[in-house]
Amino acid sequence: AQSVTQLGSHVSVSEGALVLLRCNYSSSVPPYLFWYVQYPNQGLQLLLKYTSAATLVKGINGFEAEFKKSETSFHLTKPSAHMSDAAEYFCAVSDISGGSNYKLTFGKGTLLTVNP
Amino acid sequence: KAGVTQTPRYLIKTRGQQVTLSCSPISGHRSVSWYQQTPGQGLQFLFEYFSETQRNKGNFPGRFSGRQFSNSRSEMNVSTLELGDSALYLCASSLAQGTWRYTFGSGTRLTVV
Repeated sequence: AQSVTQLGSHVSVSEGALVLLRCNYSSSVPPYLFWYVQYPNQGLQLLLKYTSAATLVKGINGFEAEFKKSETSFHLTKPSAHMSDAAEYFCAVSDISGGSNYKLTFGKGTLLTVNP
Repeated sequence: KAGVTQTPRYLIKTRGQQVTLSCSPISGHRSVSWYQQTPGQGLQFLFEYFSETQRNKGNFPGRFSGRQFSNSRSEMNVSTLELGDSALYLCASSLAQGTWRYTFGSGTRLTVV
């Protein structure tokens, strides 16, 4: 079974500082990996995805993530945090073990706080 | 283009009751998946429907069930509610089965008292 571990349930940064949210996965096959963002009382919005193309993936709102197979990691970064980035972030891996059924397995989430 | 619509947004039920949640996918989307989000367990996959058939199911008891209609709208039902069923239930739609291109709705917040 695939799994996702997000290191740090809560990350706090100052506005303008680097954002680094960590995600490690376990998978027996090359995975598809995703980062989602969730604002309070909202659903999930896809930030970016890795689907076996370029290992450095750029997403929306200035976020990017790098797929490192040797480290089984897919960390999310943003050079300069903005107040509007405060939200909960989820790393997810797709499960294609059931054929073409793309069930998502999520990490526990990381709550990002941005301080002025 | 309208997004994924989930109704109702908030719901309060009593233990032992049953509840039905509704999800209307984006127009043209034929696959609907359901997820449960709780503080303790995080986001967990419930089931996926495509062409009115359940294609994949998560590890939940039989009290959790769902269905999909010919217009792709989906409902999920939870019978004999327990306090632990209190959660945000998220629906996601996609064009076809077996694609990661989900669009999530805003969810239904269920509180069981």
